[in-house]
Formats: sequence, structure tokens, C-alpha cells
Amino acid sequence: DTAVSQTPKYLVTQMGNDKSIKCEQNLGHDTMYWYKQDSKKFLKIMFSYNNKELIINETVPNRFSPKSPDKAHLNLHINSLELGDSAVYFCASSPGQGANQPQHFGDGTRLSIL
Amino acid sequence: AQSVTQLDSQVPVFEEAPVELRCNYSSSVSVYLFWYVQYPNQGLQLLLKYLSGSTLVKGINGFEAEFNKSQTSFHLRKPSVHISDTAEYFCAVSDQGAQKLVFGQGTRLTINP
Repeated sequence: DTAVSQTPKYLVTQMGNDKSIKCEQNLGHDTMYWYKQDSKKFLKIMFSYNNKELIINETVPNRFSPKSPDKAHLNLHINSLELGDSAVYFCASSPGQGANQPQHFGDGTRLSIL
Repeated sequence: AQSVTQLDSQVPVFEEAPVELRCNYSSSVSVYLFWYVQYPNQGLQLLLKYLSGSTLVKGINGFEAEFNKSQTSFHLRKPSVHISDTAEYFCAVSDQGAQKLVFGQGTRLTINP
């Protein structure tokens, strides 16, 4: 059973479109994250939720909106996609919200903007 | 503000040779330190972590790392690498009490037969 699963694995779309990426974890963790990994492999946190509440909201364009319907799910919706949004987006989860907690990552969603 | 520097973007080594991947961090407070590994087309997996206590930390797959507070370093080592160790390795740091990790830019480890 996959611990942190993201869908879709690949997403190719046109500039200006709106798209969503879904993430689910079956580890019973309270905290979930979205990261962006750029073409140079640099990994940066975007958002974090603890038990459905937003706890980390980095400097991200407001075209990006996370939603956590329950603590096992954290989705990412992106409006008006731009070329610079092309990246791999990783979802992760951890038992709690402290940074000492080990994070478990999904396999990523590779987003390509044409 | 904390930052992480991985001094080598690529490290090629021969199979069964030892390897060291270097990581330095900057922070004004006590920190937690992590090494993660990313195999091709996969997410990151935790290799090992330093939270407190012994400065020599052992992880999975035969890796270990040593926390050196005076040099603000957390270098990763393995005495004998295998082809299967080919991957991207990320060092990460967090201030104790903080909620987020800051990642280094990664070191690509390539093992040659």
C-alpha cells in the first residue's frame, strides 16, 4: 500500500489553464505539506496543514490554493497556470507539525506548461 | 535565517569506494539536521536524522553522518558504495522549535562500475 499517493503523476497543460493535484496519506499522520522542486532540483516548501489547519504559507502566488478536506488529504489547485509553474510538486506528511518529525514523501507530480 | 549549503553538486565515485557528501548550515540557534535520498522519479526518503545526543548518527543502507557544531557541518559518509546508491542526496536543517525544513540544493551521487 502506498503511504503518500499523489495524482496525477504527470500533468501537461496549456498556459492559462486551471488544474488540481490530489494527495492522500494512509499513515494516520496529522501534518501534510506541499513542496515545489524546480528544474535544478531545488526543493522549497509551499504550504503545510496540521489537522486541516494551515500552519505554513510561504511566499507563493495566490494562484496556488491548498485545500485539506480532512487530515488524510491535501489538494493543490492552481489557477491561470504560467510557464514558471513547470516543476515537480511533492506532497509529504509527518506524524506531527514539529520539524523534528520525519517526513514521508509521495512520488511527485511532474507539471509541464506548454 | 537558516540556510544549507551542499558543497558539491555532483560526486562521481567507483563502486566499493568510500564517499563523503558535504553539508554546511547556518543558524543562530540549535538545529535539527536530516539527510534525504531521492532515487530517479521518486519522492524523498529519510536516510538519517540528528535531533540531539550522540553526534554520530547511523541511518539506513549503511550511511552515517556526523554533526559538528563548531564547524556547523553534517557530512554524510558511506565506507563502500554500491551501484544502487546512485541518487540525489539532500541535506536539510530546521531550527529547533520551528515547523519547516530548509533543504540544500542536492548532491548527485554517481557510482561507476
